[in-house]
Amino acid sequence: KAGVTQTPRYLIKTRGQQVTLSCSPISGHRSVSWYQQTPGQGLQFLFEYFSETQRNKGNFPGRFSGRQFSNSRSEMNVSTLELGDSALYLCASSFGTNGELFFGEGSRLTVL
Amino acid sequence: GIQVEQSPPDLILQEGANSTLRCNFSDSVNNLQWFHQNPWGQLINLFYIPSGTKQNGRLSATTVATERYSLLYISSSQTTDSGVYFCAVKNYGGATNKLIFGTGTLLAVQP
Repeated sequence: KAGVTQTPRYLIKTRGQQVTLSCSPISGHRSVSWYQQTPGQGLQFLFEYFSETQRNKGNFPGRFSGRQFSNSRSEMNVSTLELGDSALYLCASSFGTNGELFFGEGSRLTVL
Repeated sequence: GIQVEQSPPDLILQEGANSTLRCNFSDSVNNLQWFHQNPWGQLINLFYIPSGTKQNGRLSATTVATERYSLLYISSSQTTDSGVYFCAVKNYGGATNKLIFGTGTLLAVQP
């Protein structure tokens, strides 16, 4: 079956703009979580959704937001982009709320 | 919160050599996963191993939950094994998929 699909794969934005990233989980998976990877901070948890409800949120400013749709697809949005938001954003899906996570290929964001 | 430490941070091997990567965690966990990050950034699942031992080809992993560590063994290494290996855990308790990642081990396998 198809894996986790993230779009777009690469994007370049300028400071102050906003960006929306999309994630389609593995068919049948209802949990989607997002992670940010930077050279300085490593892999950090952003937020987690299950059945359209945010269940957990990491320590990120309010400029980072997300949502999940009824078909389990998820989007995350970053407003008022800063240079430090340049990162690889990874989405993971899981069948339930406490199981093995499977990751997509990521969206690599560069902020100029 | 829970701390995850991986060692060694860097490792250089000749093709055909064996290696052991270690992951220590500071609290009880109910999920532990090993990943290999490929050059394009994708995290490839290696093992889901909250406890016990598993083997998959040249790779095997052991988690001793009571002593709070996990080991990833790579035998007869190949150049395609190069990349970063991450250990990630979930704290025990609560229905959440929040993974805490270690800082990774950068493996370079030379021909």
